[in-house]
Amino acid sequence: QSVVTQPPSASGTPGQRVTISCSGSSSNIGNNYVSWYQQLPGAAPKLIIFKNDERPSGVPDRFSGSKSGASASLAISGLRSDDEADYYCATWDGSLSGPYVVFGGGTKVTVL
Amino acid sequence: QLLLQESGSRLVKPSQTLSLTCGVSGGSISSGAYSWTWIRQSPGKDLEWIGYIYHSGSTYYNPSLQSRVSISADRSKDQFSLNLRSVTAADTAVYYCARVYMGAFDVWGQGTMVTVSS
Repeated sequence: QSVVTQPPSASGTPGQRVTISCSGSSSNIGNNYVSWYQQLPGAAPKLIIFKNDERPSGVPDRFSGSKSGASASLAISGLRSDDEADYYCATWDGSLSGPYVVFGGGTKVTVL
Repeated sequence: QLLLQESGSRLVKPSQTLSLTCGVSGGSISSGAYSWTWIRQSPGKDLEWIGYIYHSGSTYYNPSLQSRVSISADRSKDQFSLNLRSVTAADTAVYYCARVYMGAFDVWGQGTMVTVSS
């Protein structure tokens, strides 16, 4: 059971907007940056959002991130069939002896 | 273009040590802007952070693995390594190496499947 929680699934039809939540606490999301990763079947995860809301070069602006308090969200607008993947949030936690990383449990996005 | 490539034993016997190396090409692990990390993913399951090595050589590990794990770097070869001791079947997973930048993992290796079995 991760200390950072995501819904296990989300879905939408092509063109729709889908939002994925990532909930934590003051020891992790509340005081640290959140990043988001897209994992296509059989592939390594790919960074799509860092520092809560910044996109790496090459990531479409259909992907956007936000953070408020101890929660963060990833929005995918103009949903496409190739957005069907698992999405993970990640952040740092400083509650124990040193900074360590926690991942959310992942959200499977299905394009209907 | 920065590329990371994992290598090492794909099959490890229970109670032995899992050893993997991540070779970095197209860049240097000595750059002060980056740290280097290991992450794993059990079959059909979540991502689990293992630990990372800072450019200064300092290391930080997942508290749940800290007693069994060590990460080191060989800057002359631009590679960093993972050792996980006393493995069990629960350590069977795809192991990824990645670069850490601005608190995120911006470049990943393709991953290597390691199976713990006698």
